[in-house]
Amino acid sequence: SQQGEEDPQALSIQEGENATMNCSYKTSINNLQWYRQNSGRGLVHLILIRSNEREKHSGRLRVTLDTSKKSSSLLITASRAADTASYFCATDPTSGTYKYIFGTGTRLKVLA
Amino acid sequence: DVKVTQSSRYLVKRTGEKVFLECVQDMDHENMFWYRQDPGLGLRLIYFSYDVKMKEKGDIPEGYSVSREKKERFSLILESASTNQTSMYLCASSLPGGSYGYTFGSGTRLTVV
Repeated sequence: SQQGEEDPQALSIQEGENATMNCSYKTSINNLQWYRQNSGRGLVHLILIRSNEREKHSGRLRVTLDTSKKSSSLLITASRAADTASYFCATDPTSGTYKYIFGTGTRLKVLA
Repeated sequence: DVKVTQSSRYLVKRTGEKVFLECVQDMDHENMFWYRQDPGLGLRLIYFSYDVKMKEKGDIPEGYSVSREKKERFSLILESASTNQTSMYLCASSLPGGSYGYTFGSGTRLTVV
């Protein structure tokens, strides 16, 4: 079963607005990652946050992690039409299997 | 530019055929993975390999096998394709451990008719 569950399943915003998507997970983790998938393509790694970190930035991306609530959020600021994609969180469980567990994704549509 | 290459973007096969999906990476990564992606189900792990000739079953290995004879190549084999194996197949690779992220290929959309 999938550990990560993204919320919302779909999000539609205007260009220039901020987009926030959330991920919840069930077990202890070493790190959590966010990936982007353009339609019909492979996933692209965006950012990794370790379990001892609370916030991380990369360009227009801001990721937070709350291990007490087992949740993470991805904020994309000043969104562009090119940000239209599906976004997935993936967790690296502490069980040591080095197999990430992916959520079902949030479909983001940015309207020009 | 480092990358993971999947041999086909689109593939149409007949029920009962033996199907080979090839994946090659040029990053000298130890770990390689095969996932399938279906609407509403996210990515599900089929098999993974952490070294040459080593393989382990993922969450949904039934109907699939894999081969890793060389470090850079990881093949997924559908022994006898069925219509319920119609899906997007994604290959990924990574360094040892879980701290570096995966690099994915562009995916193969397989249709079994």
